[in-house]
Amino acid sequence: DVKVTQSSRYLVKRTGEKVFLECVQDMDHENMFWYRQDPGLGLRLIYFSYDVKMKEKGDIPEGYSVSREKKERFSLILESASTNQTSMYLCASSPDRGAFFGQGTRLTVV
Amino acid sequence: RKEVEQDPGPFNVPEGATVAFNCTYSNSASQSFFWYRQDCRKEPKLLMSVYSSGNEDGRFTAQLNRASQYISLLIRDSKLSDSATYLCVVSQNTGGFKTIFGAGTRLFVKA
Repeated sequence: DVKVTQSSRYLVKRTGEKVFLECVQDMDHENMFWYRQDPGLGLRLIYFSYDVKMKEKGDIPEGYSVSREKKERFSLILESASTNQTSMYLCASSPDRGAFFGQGTRLTVV
Repeated sequence: RKEVEQDPGPFNVPEGATVAFNCTYSNSASQSFFWYRQDCRKEPKLLMSVYSSGNEDGRFTAQLNRASQYISLLIRDSKLSDSATYLCVVSQNTGGFKTIFGAGTRLFVKA
């Protein structure tokens, strides 16, 4: 079974903090994704990566950056957390198409 | 315009009913299509891929119409356990496979 692991299920951070969300997959997948999910808006793509050190902006990259130094790990960085970044963050990985998800990180910025 | 659009519902149906969801996508270069299911407070999980010839998996039938750029999911003989949000998903080859999700359609199946 594919395993995608996100480092935290729940996280509370203060406004202005730098936040790191970590995601690791164990299936040697090329593609990895970060989404955020909000009520009524569904899943929105923040960034994705199709290879080590490669990254592409999704639909809502503002306020976020990513890092992919190793194939199995894809990190999402909130440079200066704001309250409008309170959301459920979902990481996914994919061999070529479709996606397998981690369990999600519910981030609250206060 | 969103890249992938779905009717948000909710769809409220009795057990045993047949229910159909539609989804439209805007990028004609899209190559792969899927339906995912998401239960409350859980991550989305792949339900089925959608092929040009149409495909069936038990009570579930998925179809793709490339000319009109829409995909559909038909659920026959609905069960209580089918209650969930159904997400339409489209992948595009942009070097890697950019995977875009629709906002989802909520289904409630009632006894």
